[in-house]
Amino acid sequence: AQSVTQPDIHITVSEGASLELRCNYSYGATPYLFWYVQSPGQGLQLLLKYFSGDTLVQGIKGFEAEFKRSQSSFNLRKPSVHWSDAAEYFCAVGLSGGYNKLIFGAGTRLAVHP
Amino acid sequence: DAGVIQSPRHEVTEMGQEVTLRCKPISGHDYLFWYRQTMMRGLELLIYFNNNVPIDDSGMPEDRFSAKMPNASFSTLKIQPSEPRDSAVYFCASSLTTGGNQPQHFGDGTRLSIL
Repeated sequence: AQSVTQPDIHITVSEGASLELRCNYSYGATPYLFWYVQSPGQGLQLLLKYFSGDTLVQGIKGFEAEFKRSQSSFNLRKPSVHWSDAAEYFCAVGLSGGYNKLIFGAGTRLAVHP
Repeated sequence: DAGVIQSPRHEVTEMGQEVTLRCKPISGHDYLFWYRQTMMRGLELLIYFNNNVPIDDSGMPEDRFSAKMPNASFSTLKIQPSEPRDSAVYFCASSLTTGGNQPQHFGDGTRLSIL
């Protein structure tokens, strides 16, 4: 069955430090992969997406993610975190083959220390 | 370009009352999704529509929940009768038709509290 695992429930980093949020997926076909961010009291906003081609994708707010098929991973990175990046981050896989559902991970809550 | 619009943003009501949540998807989007988010269960897909037709309602928790999409620009999620365990944030999302490679666009949610 399809699944998405985000191993880290909470992560705390200092402002200016680098960030990597982990995401592993289980899906037999070609995955469509997404990262979303949710700020308090708001809906989910798309950060970036991967469909094919270059395995390093750039997103909004200075985020990037790298697709590694051999590791079934799609980790999100940012070289220097800002206090405003404190939020919850969700990884999701889109099902191919005529479906339009997204399978979401449980989310990683990011706290940023000044 | 207007995003997905949900109303109300907050709803507080007493147990047993009927609750109706509303959603206006992005114009031109063929798919509409209803999700529920709680601390315990995370983000759950309740039901989704394609061209106003319900495709998969396997996530609807029980018969007290119903959803309709009478036209391409409006959908409702109704709970009758409501119970305290229905308290959650309910999100609506929409996307274009594809085989799964289109992102879903989310509304800001309705925070529902059942007393």
